[in-house]
Amino acid sequence: DAKTTQPPSMDCAEGRAANLPCNHSTISGNEYVYWYRQIHSQGPQYIIHGLKNNETNEMASLIITEDRKSSTLILPHATLRDTAVYYCIVSDPLYNTNAGKSTFGDGTTLTVKP
Amino acid sequence: DVKVTQSSRYLVKRTGEKVFLECVQDMDHENMFWYRQDPGLGLRLIYFSYDVKMKEKGDIPEGYSVSREKKERFSLILESASTNQTSMYLCASSLPGPGLAPENEQYFGPGTRLTVT
Repeated sequence: DAKTTQPPSMDCAEGRAANLPCNHSTISGNEYVYWYRQIHSQGPQYIIHGLKNNETNEMASLIITEDRKSSTLILPHATLRDTAVYYCIVSDPLYNTNAGKSTFGDGTTLTVKP
Repeated sequence: DVKVTQSSRYLVKRTGEKVFLECVQDMDHENMFWYRQDPGLGLRLIYFSYDVKMKEKGDIPEGYSVSREKKERFSLILESASTNQTSMYLCASSLPGPGLAPENEQYFGPGTRLTVT
C-alpha cells in the first residue's frame, strides 16, 4: 500500500488560503490521491481527488507535483467551519477484486482562527 | 443524496458481550467498509465487502467478523467484546470498481461510539 504523511496540525487565519501538504512518495502509477475531511462528531466527507493533473471544485483545489510524490490541498478562503481533520488518501486497487482498499493516515488537524 | 446510516450513535457494552453494529446504505453500492477511529491512530480499516456474502480483511480484523447477507446492509460483529475495542466505528459505502476509478469515493455514516466496560 502507498502510505501518506501529513503534518499533525496547522493553523490558518479566517479568510486566508489554507495549504495542506501530503507526501505519498511510494504512490504507484494508477493510484489516485483523495482528500477527505472530518468535522468533529461527523463521518468523513469527500473533498476532491486527482491522478496527475491539478483539480479544482467548489470546495477546494488539489495540486499534485509532477513526480506525483506529494500534493497540496488548497482551501482558497478558509472559514471557521473549515476547522476539521483533513485526510490525504492514496487509493489502492486490489488486483483480484472490485473493491478499492484505501488507507487513511492520521490526517492534519486544521484550525481556522478568527 | 447517498445516505449511510448506522444503528446507534452511542453504545455501551460489557466485556465478553457479543456486539452487533449495523450499517445500511440506500444507494445500491457494491462496496461497504468498516473502520475504527482512535485518537492518534486515524482511521483503520477492519473489513470490507465488495459484494453480497463477500468479505476481505482490512488492516486490523482481529477480534471482529462481518456479515453481508443483503447488498444494503453490512454488519460488524464483536464476538466477545473487550475494553480495547472501545472506539468510534465508522461505516462507509462506495460504487464498485478498483481504487483507481474516480467514482470510488466513499460515503460515510455518522459513526457509532462504542464503550466496552
